Amino acid sequence: EILLTQSPGTLSLSPGERATLSCRASQSVSGTYLAWYQQTPGQAPRLLIYGASSRATGIPDRFSGSGSGTDFTLTISRLEPEDFAVYSCQQYGSSPLTFGGGTKVEIK
Amino acid sequence: ELQLLESGGGMVQPGGSLKLSCAASGFSISNYAMNWVRQAPGKGLEWVSVRSGSGETTYYADSVKGRFTISRDTSKNTLFLQMNSLRPDDTAVYYCAKDSGGGYSIYWYFDLWGRGTLVTVSS
Repeated sequence: EILLTQSPGTLSLSPGERATLSCRASQSVSGTYLAWYQQTPGQAPRLLIYGASSRATGIPDRFSGSGSGTDFTLTISRLEPEDFAVYSCQQYGSSPLTFGGGTKVEIK
Repeated sequence: ELQLLESGGGMVQPGGSLKLSCAASGFSISNYAMNWVRQAPGKGLEWVSVRSGSGETTYYADSVKGRFTISRDTSKNTLFLQMNSLRPDDTAVYYCAKDSGGGYSIYWYFDLWGRGTLVTVSS
């Protein structure tokens, strides 16, 4: 089973700042099969990125994903008020599919 | 509008049973693989089970195999999760999630989620 470790656990930033979130896998993720999701309290999780770098339908271009192998990054270029949330990565290249523990982006 | 709405959560004693429902609207669950994903309090997400769009294939996480059963009623466009022999570590918010693949494919990442239903297993 591939373990995904996300860092930092919490990121304190101000609106307009750049956010860089890390997702590290315990072994190489096959085929860059990595997705990112956004969760806000009481809301349904939302798919942001799949295939490590492809934005899902309707996702603003301030969200970008990169990486391969064991190291992946989600970048939010300029934080908007609605972007303060918890972000989780997921690998789907190996069975069982697994999720990271999440990074909370909070308002500084 | 595409939407998923879970229901059926609640409090149950260890060893008990519960059946969750997920009503889909805006698309047909016959055309997509459908999943259950859960999140224990303060923990990350954990995939639980999937049923393919064809309905012929199901998979389960090792942690629930033999205790949970995923099913669907296509006439009601509703997905179910029958949970038996519940344990305290099954306590979680259970989400219904649509696979991004169509037809008989399973892509294993999820482009539509519901808001979840809370299951609490406690005596």
